Parts: sequence; structure tokens; C-alpha cells
Amino acid sequence: AQSVAQPEDQVNVAEGNPLTVKCTYSVSGNPYLFWYVQYPNRGLQFLLKYITGDNLVKGSYGFEAEFNKSQTSFHLKKPSALVSDSALYFCAVRDGNYGQNFVFGPGTRLSVLP
Amino acid sequence: DGGITQSPKYLFRKEGQNVTLSCEQNLNHDAMYWYRQDPGQGLRLIYYSQIVNDFQKGDIAEGYSVSREKKESFPLTVTSAQKNPTAFYLCASHTPGTGANVLTFGAGSRLTVL
Repeated sequence: AQSVAQPEDQVNVAEGNPLTVKCTYSVSGNPYLFWYVQYPNRGLQFLLKYITGDNLVKGSYGFEAEFNKSQTSFHLKKPSALVSDSALYFCAVRDGNYGQNFVFGPGTRLSVLP
Repeated sequence: DGGITQSPKYLFRKEGQNVTLSCEQNLNHDAMYWYRQDPGQGLRLIYYSQIVNDFQKGDIAEGYSVSREKKESFPLTVTSAQKNPTAFYLCASHTPGTGANVLTFGAGSRLTVL
């Protein structure tokens, strides 16, 4: 069975500092990994994905994520945080070999302080 | 613009009433999903449908029902059997087997039981 863990409920960073939101996963087959962002009372917006290829994936709004197979991690990063990055971030995994379902982590609330 | 439309955005229900949440997509996606979001619990899968006239239960299907009579539409009915229906409901879609493999979400419907 697939599972996703986001070990931090809340991450606080100062504007201009680098940010990291952590994600670890478990799947039986090949992992397809995704990051989504949610603003209050809105749906989820896609940020980036890893399917295959380069372990460093670049996405929207300056975000990037690094796939680490040995540590089964897919941490979200940004070199310089903006106040407007404050939102709820979800990591998701889909097993590329079996089934079509996406499993989401519990979410991490990012607060960027001015 | 292509996308997913959920309605209503806000809905209030008295105990014992059934309510139906609408989800329409014009992305020509084959698969559609309903998720429930509660604070601190991430997204939990209620039902999904891979093709028209076929759907499967997700992790928390009890007290919910769906239909998939058209490719574009996947309405969710919250029945009186759902003991704690107050939540934020998200509809999503994607086309399985494509390189994109990205879930697209609607803006959500917030249901409150009075």
C-alpha cells in the first residue's frame, strides 16, 4: 500500500530565507511524486512532479524538489521565501506500477514571516 | 479555459437531509475523484471513477453515493447515513496512463451541517 508522511505540521521561515517542506513516501512499485499547494477555501494547485529522470525537479513559482530514492524522500524547497508562499502544502504519491489512485500526506502549513 | 467546476461553493444542510454536490469537467479526462478534507487529516478518497458508468469505493465511502452517467460529470450525494458530513469536499480528474499524470482539482465545496 502507498503512504505519504509529512513530518512537520507547521514550518515557519523568514521572508528571503530558504525554505524546506519535508515529505517521505512508501510504495511497492515506481513512485510518481507530486507537490500541491492550497490557499484558504480553494482547491489544490499543482506545483511540480517527479515521474522519472533528473532527481532535481523544478516547478512553478520558483519551487523545486529533490527525489532521493535511498531515503524515499521528496522534499520541497525554495531558495528565497516570499510572504505570498504562505499556504498549505501537500505531498502526494502514486504507484506507477499498480493502480491509479493518488495518496496524499496530511499537509504542512508554511508561514513566511515578513 | 478548461477546468473543473464544483457547485455550490458553500452548502448548509439540516441533519437527516441528503445533499448533492456537483462536479463538472471540460478537460476530457477519463478518471474523476471525490476527496474529503478535514483539518489536519489531509485528503481522504471517497469515490473514484475510471470510466463512464463505473465507479469504485475509496477509503471512506460509507454514507456517500456517486454516479457517472456522463464523462464530464461526477456528482456526489452526501446521505443522511453520513454521521459527520461537515467538511470541505474536493473533486479532481485526470487521464490515466498519460505522461502528465497530474490530478486537476476543482475549487471545492464546503458543507456545513446545522
